[in-house]
Amino acid sequence: QTVVTQEPSFSVSPGGTVTLTCGLTSDSVSPNYYPSWYQQTPGQAPRTLIYSTKIRSSGVPDRFSGSILGNKAALTITGAQADDESDYYCALYVGAGIWVFGGGTKVTVL
Amino acid sequence: DVQLVESGGGLVKPGGSLRLSCVTSGFAFNRYSMNWVRQAPGKGLEWVSSSSSSGSYIYYADSVKGRFTISRDNTKHSLYLQMKSLRVEDTAVYYCVRDLGELDAYWGQGTLVTVSS
Repeated sequence: QTVVTQEPSFSVSPGGTVTLTCGLTSDSVSPNYYPSWYQQTPGQAPRTLIYSTKIRSSGVPDRFSGSILGNKAALTITGAQADDESDYYCALYVGAGIWVFGGGTKVTVL
Repeated sequence: DVQLVESGGGLVKPGGSLRLSCVTSGFAFNRYSMNWVRQAPGKGLEWVSSSSSSGSYIYYADSVKGRFTISRDNTKHSLYLQMKSLRVEDTAVYYCVRDLGELDAYWGQGTLVTVSS
């Protein structure tokens, strides 16, 4: 069974930078996994931030960026703002039509 | 504007059935793969099922295989999820999602399914 790993939580100061990662227990993440990132605030539907590793969704501020760092996908928030406080999920395509989400990272801005 | 509107959720007893619908607008439905993603109360996101643009290729998570059936009607710009033999652990908000990962994903607002006796 494929497991996608994310940090459970992160804290960042306003204006600071934080990098969240998305890994696999069984392999290195590459663009072939089409890593994507989603932001969700309580009671709301998820919002797409990044798809295909590094392409920003329409309307997403450029302080959000996606990349591959080492053997993981990464989401970097540069210049964090108070309304970036959310849960962040990554998803990976693991083949045979199957997608797997990570467990999510709760980001606190304080 | 791209819109996805789910419906059909509700309270059902264990072992029961439910059919979810997702009506879409604002894009060429027949050109996009579609997905169902769910979120149990207080938990993370879980991919459930996907359909290719034509409906020819269909995939399921192991947790729902054999119990759930995804389908689509491209003439009605609609996606469906027939759920049978429902379990308490199927309780979740079910989201209809256009694409995942390869292209920009659009999400509906979700419909709540509660499985309880």
